[in-house]
Amino acid sequence: QSALTQPRSVSGSPGQSVTISCTGTSSDIGGYNWVSWYQQHPDKAPKLIIHDVNMRPPGVPDRFSGSKSDNTASLIISGLQAEDEADYYCCSYAGSYTLFGGGTKLTVL
Amino acid sequence: EVQLLESGGGLVQPGGSLRLSCAASGYIFSNNAMSWVRQAPGKGLEWVSAISGRGGMNTYYADSVKGRFTISRDDSKSTLYLQMNNLRAEDTALYYCTRDRGAAAAGNSDYWGQGTLVTVSS
Repeated sequence: QSALTQPRSVSGSPGQSVTISCTGTSSDIGGYNWVSWYQQHPDKAPKLIIHDVNMRPPGVPDRFSGSKSDNTASLIISGLQAEDEADYYCCSYAGSYTLFGGGTKLTVL
Repeated sequence: EVQLLESGGGLVQPGGSLRLSCAASGYIFSNNAMSWVRQAPGKGLEWVSAISGRGGMNTYYADSVKGRFTISRDDSKSTLYLQMNNLRAEDTALYYCTRDRGAAAAGNSDYWGQGTLVTVSS
């Protein structure tokens, strides 16, 4: 049960777009369409922002989108805003367990 | 409004036990799978365990807790539990209770509690 691989940090200026990658294997990301993404601000509980690879829960801005190709999932945040500065975690179903990525800290410059 | 309220955390010595509870409200508890996710201080999220919904009662565990932790649910009380035995220092974390979007434990946690802190130390 190895964690999914995410970059430790990414950054962008307001209005720009950033992409956070999440790499797994054919046993997790590549094998299922149950990939989700979570946003976590300091001292807050995580919040679901993408589920089932590319679906947004109600209330999540359409600036957030998700995709998947083979064993890699991606979170794309367009039109960066100051409040997007947070930690982001990917997550994938893997059959009999669930895996999280190590997390990516997004800095809005 | 969906609410998840964890309780039962605290300070315990290595080798000790704790039982966490998560009281759910605002939806039909039995319909959804439930999970426990933990976060060690200053670290990332780690999935711990899950249990299916709709009477399935299938349970799943991370390798790091298998054989020591037991997840269960009481649908009549809308409550999720995590029995933690033989606790180790590396189990120290904030434990979140989460609701999965469907009856299958597939990792799509759409609601999270605020967490209960477990500290394992002598």
